[in-house]
Formats: sequence, structure tokens, C-alpha cells
Amino acid sequence: DGGITQSPKYLFRKEGQNVTLSCEQNLNHDAMYWYRQDPGQGLRLIYYSQIVNDFQKGDIAEGYSVSREKKESFPLTVTSAQKNPTAFYLCASSIEGTGGYTFGSGTRLTVV
Amino acid sequence: SQQGEEDPQALSIQEGENATMNCSYKTSINNLQWYRQNSGRGLVHLILIRSNEREKHSGRLRVTLDTSKKSSSLLITASRAADTASYFCATVLASGGSYIPTFGRGTSLIVHP
Repeated sequence: DGGITQSPKYLFRKEGQNVTLSCEQNLNHDAMYWYRQDPGQGLRLIYYSQIVNDFQKGDIAEGYSVSREKKESFPLTVTSAQKNPTAFYLCASSIEGTGGYTFGSGTRLTVV
Repeated sequence: SQQGEEDPQALSIQEGENATMNCSYKTSINNLQWYRQNSGRGLVHLILIRSNEREKHSGRLRVTLDTSKKSSSLLITASRAADTASYFCATVLASGGSYIPTFGRGTSLIVHP
């Protein structure tokens, strides 16, 4: 079955550490997105990529970095510069950006 | 900034009743989409309505779009306990060749059995 896989489901980070969240899709979608979800604030766009080797900042990119070396993969690194990283992170993909978006099941990141 | 805003923030109904959620937005859009999210899970795409469409149906779901009022509504008919979830609208704008979905804060729906 085609789909989008996020891992791990739960992640714990110590202060000052970088962590990388994985997002892999086998839907042959061109576009991929990362969102952050906090209670009561809906989804906020971190980064998006329309094609391989190209990506754009979203509304809240500070403290995050991404890469898009393969069409299937769009990993997100939460750096130590992100002061409040505890949140639910969602990855999504789409065809050409105008159709429906397929979401992964999310990664819950907690700073300990 | 959030383009779409859902209303109400929370809705509690009895099984069998209809549930109506609204979404308002600020700028012209390419299309508007509705999603469902069960607690702690990813979002599931429900329905997409383009800017030149006024109404779409999918099973027990009915979506309307009024571009003059910049608003959309999602109607779930004959609700079931399994419909309990958060519902989000996403507006899709075209910007420099990119189509970026922007999500509202969602409506939390509770359907009591």
C-alpha cells in the first residue's frame, strides 16, 4: 500500500541536542511539507519542498532545517536553536500541490 | 498567519443529529479542503472544493463554498459516535508557482452515543 511514514512516533530530546525526524513516502508525490501542531493553534508550516534538491521556508522555519536529496524522503532536523520544540510534528505530501494532501501519523517530540 | 478560521471551536451533539462547521478565510484561494484528525493521529483528507465550485457531496458529508463571503461550511449528516474528531479546513493559495495549504485551528466535534 502506498503511504507516508513518519518515524519515530515518540521522541525525547535533551536540551541542546539536535534531533532528526524521518518522513518517507512511496506515493511518487512531488511536494512534501512539514507542519508543527500545538494545542489550540492548529497546524503551522515549517518547511516545504516542491522538487528534489529545493525547499522553501514556511511561517516558522527558525530553529529547523530540512533536506530533499531524494523524492521519497524529506527529513526534518530540530536544532538546539529551536527554543520551544515540544510539539506534534506532521509530514504531508501531494501531487503538484493542488490536490489533497496525504499526512503521516506524526511524531511527538518532547524536550526533557 | 492563519488564513482559515473554523467556527465553532467546539461542538457537542447527540448521535443522529447533524453537525455543521464553518470556515472563513481572508484572501482569494485556488481551492479549499476539509480534513479530519483523530486524537494523536495524522490528518485525513475528506473533501476538496475548487474556487469555481459551490457545493460538493461525499457520502454523509456536504461542503459548500461561498467565495463572495470567503466562507465554507462542512455538514455531517446523521452523525455517529465514530465521527468524534477534530475537523480542519485548509485553504490553498497559489504563490509564485507554489500551492501552499494553510490550516485553521480546527473544530473539535464530540458525538455522544
